Amino acid sequence: DTGVSQDPRHKITKRGQNVTFRCDPISEHNRLYWYRQTLGQGPEFLTYFQNEAQLEKSRLLSDRFSAERPKGSFSTLEIQRTEQGDSAMYLCASSFYLTATNEKLFFGSGTQLSVL
Amino acid sequence: EDQVTQSPEALRLQEGESSSLNCSYTVSGLRGLFWYRQDPGKGPEFLFTLYSAGEEKEKERLKATLTKKESFLHITAPKPEDSATYLCAVVPKGQNFVFGPGTRLSVLP
Repeated sequence: DTGVSQDPRHKITKRGQNVTFRCDPISEHNRLYWYRQTLGQGPEFLTYFQNEAQLEKSRLLSDRFSAERPKGSFSTLEIQRTEQGDSAMYLCASSFYLTATNEKLFFGSGTQLSVL
Repeated sequence: EDQVTQSPEALRLQEGESSSLNCSYTVSGLRGLFWYRQDPGKGPEFLFTLYSAGEEKEKERLKATLTKKESFLHITAPKPEDSATYLCAVVPKGQNFVFGPGTRLSVLP
């Protein structure tokens, strides 16, 4: 068990550019989540997948954000036309969901995005 | 609307000085309450899950308790390595994890 892996760890980009982040979950986990966290705040839910199906997206999520999880393995989060307000830590988490009462999230170390 | 608040926002303790962190929640049905530890520049690390009022969990110097409205994370005789942000999250029925803003704990030697 190598844990949840995220790449890159840091990304600096200019306003208006597109960026893509990758997350590799724990291998036997069937759910994968994306969260965003800004300084001094807790993680904010963005979207999640069960296997390859995207089951929910936050109402706060702009159309510039898109996520995929082809074949139910790794996931990518793309932000198009980045804005300075997108600067944050993007966290990926995975879980093995069997019943609602036993789910536990395991987080990666995150990708720190800075939009100049 | 489901809400999670944590207090204090920041806490400074001397090594060995025990204290408690609070997590208050308002949710429409609680499926579970989680405590996570987060070190700077890293993702949250799972500590405890609590499911029902009266439940308690312990791990080393940490003890988590749960009532119908709040949870406490008690830290006994803390050490400098316990310095971190402690996050509380609730899982309302039919919804995903909702995180609080966290308590930044500093333990001074």
